[in-house]
Amino acid sequence: QKEVEQDPGPLSVPEGAIVSLNCTYSNSAFQYFMWYRQYSRKGPELLMYTYSSGNKEDGRFTAQVDKSSKYISLFIRDSQPSDSATYLCAMMAIQGAQKLVFGQGTRLTINP
Amino acid sequence: DGGITQSPKYLFRKEGQNVTLSCEQNLNHDAMYWYRQDPGQGLRLIYYSQIVNDFQKGDIAEGYSVSREKKESFPLTVTSAQKNPTAFYLCASSIARFGNQPQHFGDGTRLSIL
Repeated sequence: QKEVEQDPGPLSVPEGAIVSLNCTYSNSAFQYFMWYRQYSRKGPELLMYTYSSGNKEDGRFTAQVDKSSKYISLFIRDSQPSDSATYLCAMMAIQGAQKLVFGQGTRLTINP
Repeated sequence: DGGITQSPKYLFRKEGQNVTLSCEQNLNHDAMYWYRQDPGQGLRLIYYSQIVNDFQKGDIAEGYSVSREKKESFPLTVTSAQKNPTAFYLCASSIARFGNQPQHFGDGTRLSIL
Protein backbone atom coordinates (compact mmCIF):
# COMPACT_ATOMS: atom_id res chain seq x y z
CA GLN A 1 0.00 0.00 0.00
CA LYS A 2 1.31 3.44 -0.95
CA GLU A 3 1.69 6.04 1.80
CA VAL A 4 -0.34 8.54 -0.24
CA GLU A 5 -3.14 7.54 -2.61
CA GLN A 6 -4.57 9.91 -5.21
CA ASP A 7 -7.04 9.09 -7.95
CA PRO A 8 -5.14 9.73 -11.20
CA GLY A 9 -8.31 10.57 -13.12
CA PRO A 10 -8.56 11.91 -15.72
CA LEU A 11 -11.28 14.23 -14.47
CA SER A 12 -13.20 16.38 -16.96
CA VAL A 13 -15.77 19.01 -15.89
CA PRO A 14 -17.54 21.97 -17.53
CA GLU A 15 -16.37 25.52 -16.96
CA GLY A 16 -17.84 27.05 -13.81
CA ALA A 17 -18.22 23.73 -11.98
CA ILE A 18 -16.92 23.08 -8.48
CA VAL A 19 -14.05 20.62 -8.58
CA SER A 20 -13.11 18.33 -5.70
CA LEU A 21 -9.70 16.65 -5.66
CA ASN A 22 -8.78 14.21 -2.90
CA CYS A 23 -5.94 12.25 -1.34
CA THR A 24 -5.86 9.65 1.39
CA TYR A 25 -2.81 8.70 3.39
CA SER A 26 -1.73 6.04 5.85
CA ASN A 27 1.03 7.72 7.88
CA SER A 28 -0.49 9.41 10.94
CA ALA A 29 2.76 11.37 11.45
CA PHE A 30 2.03 13.63 8.45
CA GLN A 31 1.42 17.16 9.70
CA TYR A 32 2.12 19.40 6.70
CA PHE A 33 -0.03 19.18 3.59
CA MET A 34 0.48 20.78 0.21
CA TRP A 35 -1.24 20.99 -3.13
CA TYR A 36 0.76 21.62 -6.29
CA ARG A 37 -0.48 22.44 -9.79
CA GLN A 38 1.55 21.18 -12.73
CA TYR A 39 0.98 22.31 -16.30
CA SER A 40 2.19 20.11 -19.15
CA ARG A 41 5.99 20.13 -19.53
CA LYS A 42 6.39 22.43 -16.51
CA GLY A 43 7.46 21.99 -12.91
CA PRO A 44 4.91 21.80 -10.07
CA GLU A 45 3.75 25.15 -8.69
CA LEU A 46 2.78 25.43 -5.02
CA LEU A 47 -0.94 26.25 -4.65
CA MET A 48 -1.83 25.62 -1.03
CA TYR A 49 0.10 24.81 2.14
CA THR A 50 -1.60 23.82 5.39
CA TYR A 51 -0.58 22.56 8.79
CA SER A 52 -2.58 19.90 10.69
CA SER A 53 -6.38 19.76 10.41
CA GLY A 54 -8.72 22.46 9.20
CA ASN A 55 -9.54 24.59 6.18
CA LYS A 56 -7.58 27.20 4.27
CA GLU A 57 -8.98 29.41 1.56
CA ASP A 58 -7.15 31.37 -1.15
CA GLY A 59 -9.34 32.94 -3.79
CA ARG A 60 -11.17 30.19 -5.66
CA PHE A 61 -9.18 27.46 -3.93
CA THR A 62 -9.96 25.81 -0.58
CA ALA A 63 -7.83 23.14 1.05
CA GLN A 64 -9.29 20.86 3.71
CA VAL A 65 -7.46 18.47 6.00
CA ASP A 66 -9.21 15.81 8.08
CA LYS A 67 -6.50 14.08 10.08
CA SER A 68 -8.95 11.78 11.87
CA SER A 69 -9.90 10.27 8.52
CA LYS A 70 -6.42 10.72 6.96
CA TYR A 71 -8.05 12.57 4.08
CA ILE A 72 -7.26 15.86 2.36
CA SER A 73 -9.16 17.74 -0.31
CA LEU A 74 -8.72 20.64 -2.68
CA PHE A 75 -11.83 22.45 -3.90
CA ILE A 76 -11.80 24.74 -6.92
CA ARG A 77 -14.81 27.07 -7.27
CA ASP A 78 -15.90 28.67 -10.54
CA SER A 79 -13.43 26.51 -12.44
CA GLN A 80 -11.77 28.02 -15.52
CA PRO A 81 -10.13 26.43 -18.58
CA SER A 82 -6.83 27.80 -17.25
CA ASP A 83 -7.23 25.45 -14.24
CA SER A 84 -6.70 22.49 -16.57
CA ALA A 85 -3.55 20.81 -15.23
CA THR A 86 -2.35 17.92 -13.10
CA TYR A 87 -2.85 18.47 -9.38
CA LEU A 88 -0.47 16.79 -6.94
CA CYS A 89 -0.98 16.40 -3.23
CA ALA A 90 2.11 16.18 -1.02
CA MET A 91 2.65 15.76 2.69
CA MET A 92 5.39 15.69 5.28
CA ALA A 93 5.90 14.61 8.89
CA ILE A 94 7.50 16.78 11.56
CA GLN A 95 9.70 14.05 12.96
CA GLY A 96 11.96 11.52 11.32
CA ALA A 97 13.17 11.83 7.74
CA GLN A 98 10.83 14.76 7.01
CA LYS A 99 10.62 13.79 3.37
CA LEU A 100 7.91 15.18 1.11
CA VAL A 101 5.70 12.32 -0.07
CA PHE A 102 3.64 12.89 -3.23
CA GLY A 103 0.44 11.41 -4.57
CA GLN A 104 0.32 10.25 -8.18
CA GLY A 105 -1.39 13.40 -9.38
CA THR A 106 -4.90 13.93 -10.83
CA ARG A 107 -5.20 15.19 -14.39
CA LEU A 108 -8.01 17.77 -14.58
CA THR A 109 -9.59 19.24 -17.70
CA ILE A 110 -12.04 22.16 -17.58
CA ASN A 111 -14.15 22.30 -20.74
CA PRO A 112 -15.28 25.75 -22.01
CA ASP B 1 13.53 37.28 -10.98
CA GLY B 2 14.28 34.72 -8.30
CA GLY B 3 13.80 31.12 -9.18
CA ILE B 4 15.17 27.73 -10.07
CA THR B 5 16.73 27.16 -13.48
CA GLN B 6 17.12 23.69 -14.91
CA SER B 7 19.03 22.99 -18.10
CA PRO B 8 18.82 21.64 -20.66
CA LYS B 9 15.05 21.25 -21.16
CA TYR B 10 15.59 18.14 -23.29
CA LEU B 11 18.52 15.70 -23.15
CA PHE B 12 19.33 12.51 -24.99
CA ARG B 13 21.59 9.79 -23.66
CA LYS B 14 23.43 7.17 -25.63
CA GLU B 15 24.07 3.66 -24.34
CA GLY B 16 26.87 3.62 -21.74
CA GLN B 17 27.00 7.40 -21.45
CA ASN B 18 26.87 9.52 -18.33
CA VAL B 19 24.90 12.76 -18.58
CA THR B 20 24.68 15.70 -16.18
CA LEU B 21 21.58 17.78 -15.50
CA SER B 22 22.06 21.31 -14.23
CA CYS B 23 20.09 22.98 -11.44
CA GLU B 24 20.76 26.53 -10.27
CA GLN B 25 18.76 28.61 -7.78
CA ASN B 26 19.04 32.28 -6.82
CA LEU B 27 16.55 32.09 -3.94
CA ASN B 28 19.28 31.75 -1.31
CA HIS B 29 17.69 28.46 -0.21
CA ASP B 30 19.69 26.06 1.93
CA ALA B 31 18.12 22.80 0.81
CA MET B 32 17.93 21.35 -2.69
CA TYR B 33 16.35 18.18 -4.05
CA TRP B 34 16.19 16.03 -7.16
CA TYR B 35 13.05 14.11 -8.12
CA ARG B 36 12.17 11.79 -10.92
CA GLN B 37 8.65 11.86 -12.39
CA ASP B 38 7.28 8.95 -14.37
CA PRO B 39 3.73 8.75 -15.76
CA GLY B 40 1.28 7.55 -13.11
CA GLN B 41 3.90 7.38 -10.35
CA GLY B 42 4.09 10.89 -8.97
CA LEU B 43 7.45 12.28 -7.87
CA ARG B 44 10.15 10.10 -6.34
CA LEU B 45 13.11 11.52 -4.42
CA ILE B 46 16.57 10.73 -5.85
CA TYR B 47 18.95 12.82 -3.71
CA TYR B 48 18.73 15.81 -1.41
CA SER B 49 21.18 18.26 0.11
CA GLN B 50 20.51 20.32 3.22
CA ILE B 51 23.80 22.20 3.20
CA VAL B 52 26.84 22.77 1.00
CA ASN B 53 29.22 19.79 0.71
CA ASP B 54 26.66 17.40 2.17
CA PHE B 55 23.94 15.28 0.53
CA GLN B 56 21.87 12.16 1.25
CA LYS B 57 20.31 9.43 -0.82
CA GLY B 58 16.59 9.50 -1.40
CA ASP B 59 14.35 6.57 -2.28
CA ILE B 60 15.79 5.79 -5.74
CA ALA B 61 19.46 6.88 -5.67
CA GLU B 62 20.93 3.89 -7.51
CA GLY B 63 22.48 4.89 -10.84
CA TYR B 64 22.61 8.59 -9.93
CA SER B 65 25.22 10.88 -8.35
CA VAL B 66 25.20 14.48 -7.16
CA SER B 67 27.51 17.18 -5.83
CA ARG B 68 26.88 20.34 -3.82
CA GLU B 69 29.98 22.52 -4.03
CA LYS B 70 28.04 25.80 -4.05
CA LYS B 71 24.85 26.80 -2.28
CA GLU B 72 23.12 27.78 -5.51
CA SER B 73 24.05 24.70 -7.58
CA PHE B 74 23.08 21.02 -7.29
CA PRO B 75 23.91 19.07 -10.50
CA LEU B 76 22.64 15.53 -11.03
CA THR B 77 24.59 12.94 -13.03
CA VAL B 78 22.66 10.05 -14.54
CA THR B 79 25.22 7.30 -14.89
CA SER B 80 25.30 4.34 -17.26
CA ALA B 81 24.34 2.19 -14.26
CA GLN B 82 20.83 3.66 -14.40
CA LYS B 83 19.19 1.19 -16.78
CA ASN B 84 15.88 3.01 -17.17
CA PRO B 85 16.77 6.72 -17.23
CA THR B 86 13.92 7.95 -19.45
CA ALA B 87 11.90 10.31 -17.25
CA PHE B 88 11.16 13.91 -16.36
CA TYR B 89 13.68 15.17 -13.80
CA LEU B 90 12.72 17.94 -11.41
CA CYS B 91 14.92 20.01 -9.14
CA ALA B 92 13.48 21.76 -6.09
CA SER B 93 14.69 23.93 -3.24
CA SER B 94 13.41 25.08 0.14
CA ILE B 95 14.45 27.73 2.63
CA ALA B 96 15.40 25.42 5.46
CA ARG B 97 16.54 21.85 5.77
CA PHE B 98 13.20 20.11 5.13
CA GLY B 99 11.61 21.37 8.30
CA ASN B 100 8.18 22.80 7.63
CA GLN B 101 8.96 24.84 4.55
CA PRO B 102 7.42 23.95 1.20
CA GLN B 103 9.57 23.10 -1.77
CA HIS B 104 9.66 25.14 -4.97
CA PHE B 105 10.39 23.55 -8.32
CA GLY B 106 12.18 24.27 -11.57
CA ASP B 107 10.64 23.46 -14.96
CA GLY B 108 12.40 20.15 -15.36
CA THR B 109 14.63 18.30 -17.80
CA ARG B 110 13.20 15.55 -19.98
CA LEU B 111 15.76 12.78 -20.52
CA SER B 112 15.37 10.21 -23.27
CA ILE B 113 17.43 7.31 -24.56
CA LEU B 114 18.79 7.45 -28.12
